[in-house]
Amino acid sequence: DGGITQSPKYLFRKEGQNVTLSCEQNLNHDAMYWYRQDPGQGLRLIYYSQIVNDFQKGDIAEGYSVSREKKESFPLTVTSAQKNPTAFYLCASSSLGLTDTQYFGPGTRLTVL
Amino acid sequence: GENVEQHPSTLSVQEGDSAVIKCTYSDSASNYFPWYKQELGKGPQLIIDIRSNVGEKKDQRIAVTLNKTAKHFSLHITETQPEDSAVYFCAALAGGTSYGKLTFGQGTILTVHP
Repeated sequence: DGGITQSPKYLFRKEGQNVTLSCEQNLNHDAMYWYRQDPGQGLRLIYYSQIVNDFQKGDIAEGYSVSREKKESFPLTVTSAQKNPTAFYLCASSSLGLTDTQYFGPGTRLTVL
Repeated sequence: GENVEQHPSTLSVQEGDSAVIKCTYSDSASNYFPWYKQELGKGPQLIIDIRSNVGEKKDQRIAVTLNKTAKHFSLHITETQPEDSAVYFCAALAGGTSYGKLTFGQGTILTVHP
């Protein structure tokens, strides 16, 4: 998983609660990304950040929020406004301007009870 | 925006046979095409990639071909082994104002039977 850590591996949440997923990288990459994966589906982009203190919405940003206060960290908050949050969440990073290759973390499986 | 279609959705082969997975993309400005392998419960791992100025790239048993005119690219795995069984995703990297944004195909479940 190349220096990207996500925690926790499994997360359970009650309806109506906000929850924050952690993503840390020690690759000195500038860009970081959050994807959502549903069973039998491809990856869909939630948010991405190319530099510290800046981020852009992806294709399915509604009900999610992010921050990028440090280069190595890009936490994702799943809010109570997200109607169907149960999914596998993947964080990735890339060194923009070089190969553009995105490297993924091991993922967090979120289940809403 | 970019749209990536991947086929087939499932592929079953015998050990030693070849496997081919195909993807098409819609945005002619896309310029980077990675392939990822994902095992159950894990994050995707990059296995090979190709840029739009190259037509083919090989790495041992794995090769990728790109046809820019037709806007499609393919993954070829030769001499398949049971450990190749996984879900494979293609992706296309947008150019222009969406720089850095990857769009993924729906995935192909590859099963290699011993």
